[in-house]
Amino acid sequence: QVQLQESGPGLVKPSETLSLTCTVSAGSISSYYWSWIRQPPGKGLEWIGYIDYSGSTKYNPSLKSRVTISVDTSKNQISLKLSSVTAADTAVYYCARQNWASLIYHFDYWGQGTLVIVSS
Amino acid sequence: SSELTQDPAVSVALGQTVRITCQGDSLRSYYASWYQQKPGQAPILVIYGKNNRPSGIPDRFSGSTSGNTASLTITGAQAEDEADYYCNSRDSSGHHWVFGGGTKLTVL
Repeated sequence: QVQLQESGPGLVKPSETLSLTCTVSAGSISSYYWSWIRQPPGKGLEWIGYIDYSGSTKYNPSLKSRVTISVDTSKNQISLKLSSVTAADTAVYYCARQNWASLIYHFDYWGQGTLVIVSS
Repeated sequence: SSELTQDPAVSVALGQTVRITCQGDSLRSYYASWYQQKPGQAPILVIYGKNNRPSGIPDRFSGSTSGNTASLTITGAQAEDEADYYCNSRDSSGHHWVFGGGTKLTVL
């Protein structure tokens, strides 16, 4: 059973960089897409971006200038960096595996999520 | 605003059938996937592709698409189906992913 676990600081100061790591266990990072998705308190889901098995990335256009997603295959980890954060970036951040078998894309495994609060 | 539009709230009587819809131009070209989220929990996949259910999802959940509208149907809704439901697909450019705003399902 594939498991994803997000980790990182739960509190980030405004204007600083939010950094999170997603560790994948019981599965390989290869051959899949890996996305970060966030959910502000009481609101809906927002796709942040993904990195694929080749290291290529795609980002939500509304966040593109501030987001970097990277992968460390030796550690089975995917990382998220979001710069110049404001209170609007306060959210639960999820990592999710995007399966694309038969070119049908879907998020089949999710981490439990980690709450990041942006506050001074 | 999301490129995928969902009704904010829907209710259904216990044991009855409910359809949750998701509208967007990209759905004419790409399949939607559907996620159930209960309070304090991560979303879980319930439907993907034309009408595929992951292992462990009850067969009362089904999916369909017509034109620019994807639908999630629950046939014989149970109390445990009360949750938020989100659709997901590509955006109009086809290069990015987007979620619908979510539908809160209440089982009466």
